[in-house]
Amino acid sequence: RKEVEQDPGPFNVPEGATVAFNCTYSNSASQSFFWYRQDCRKEPKLLMSVYSSGNEDGRFTAQLNRASQYISLLIRDSKLSDSATYLCVVTKAAGNKLTFGGGTRVLVKP
Amino acid sequence: DTAVSQTPKYLVTQMGNDKSIKCEQNLGHDTMYWYKQDSKKFLKIMFSYNNKELIINETVPNRFSPKSPDKAHLNLHINSLELGDSAVYFCASSQVGQHSYEQYFGPGTRLTVT
Repeated sequence: RKEVEQDPGPFNVPEGATVAFNCTYSNSASQSFFWYRQDCRKEPKLLMSVYSSGNEDGRFTAQLNRASQYISLLIRDSKLSDSATYLCVVTKAAGNKLTFGGGTRVLVKP
Repeated sequence: DTAVSQTPKYLVTQMGNDKSIKCEQNLGHDTMYWYKQDSKKFLKIMFSYNNKELIINETVPNRFSPKSPDKAHLNLHINSLELGDSAVYFCASSQVGQHSYEQYFGPGTRLTVT
């Protein structure tokens, strides 16, 4: 079983709609959680951190469920520019070793 | 200004050859990384250096040898290239401390071994 698992998608989303997807992690010792975004043939970039209490950044909302060992990302009012692969990232300690999921591809269509 | 740069961007070579990829960051970070992203898009860490010292060395064939001449540079040399080495190799950097999880990636080097 992979340490971090994601539904690869693609999630085909009409412009303006809401889309949500999860990521599960296997190591209960995982401490920190993040979402990175990777555009086609580009490098990954940090989108947002995921806090225990849940957090929001504009149209993006991230949640953490430690009991069930998953994190989620919700995108409201989807824009065409939201089309990308969203990478779930987990660290075991307050360190710098990131473990990436395989990514969830989101395609926003007019 | 480019924060993390890699050269070359594309590399096509034959099996058995030896090649190098170079990475430079001008962010003043003290930690640098090499990642491999295969055709299934999984991004896996290979190596990490902090102030020229190797701190992460994942299970990578010893044909791969990183070298950090200073904290702004991290190069990757690959000997005896194999078909399975074809992938995109990303360099990244971060600052040790509270926000060490925020890693800045270079544009990637697309390696094709024929």
